[in-house]
Amino acid sequence: DAKTTQPPSMDCAEGRAANLPCNHSTISGNEYVYWYRQIHSQGPQYIIHGLKNNETNEMASLIITEDRKSSTLILPHATLRDTAVYYCIVRASNYGGSQGNLIFGKGTKLSVKP
Amino acid sequence: NAGVTQTPKFRVLKTGQSMTLLCAQDMNHEYMYWYRQDPGMGLRLIHYSVGEGTTAKGEVPDGYNVSRLKKQNFLLGLESAAPSQTSVYFCASSYGQGMRLSYEQYFGPGTRLTVT
Repeated sequence: DAKTTQPPSMDCAEGRAANLPCNHSTISGNEYVYWYRQIHSQGPQYIIHGLKNNETNEMASLIITEDRKSSTLILPHATLRDTAVYYCIVRASNYGGSQGNLIFGKGTKLSVKP
Repeated sequence: NAGVTQTPKFRVLKTGQSMTLLCAQDMNHEYMYWYRQDPGMGLRLIHYSVGEGTTAKGEVPDGYNVSRLKKQNFLLGLESAAPSQTSVYFCASSYGQGMRLSYEQYFGPGTRLTVT
């Protein structure tokens, strides 16, 4: 599985867009990019995932570069409740033989400030 | 939908005591997982299940047992608790069909276990 690199921390003003980068330069063609977040003392929360096309859902947008070596998670209007650690995870879709477990790195601690 | 629920939320055990953590999901997911999270460390997979009646070992299975008698429930047992098992335990579930699974996992709120 491809290794990911994220900045350890970022700040964002409330109401502004939060753009969280992730580098995954060794990503393989069959590997997806997943984003999760963990708010303090809570369980991890799935946000979004994608393969090569940009994706959007009610929580966020995921922009993947054309060469797929990096991606950006965008929270369009950050609120104080978005303060959390955000994890970028790269995993291949599975067709047998895998445990299916998510491997969380250190992530980016996003602090949304009033 | 309640999603994934875990009971209890907190527990303190003495060394050598046993307990069972219960995880329940109402999303009809095939796959279920037990993770532990220690301070400054990421999640580590303890055991997982790809369907009712099946279980398998994860990354750190020693000292734990699991059972999946019903599709919606996944139980984690500690037969003889040790201080090294002090941790936060998370259960998760995901869609899976046959051997094809999704990494879109849904987590419970966690159980905070302290072993003294």
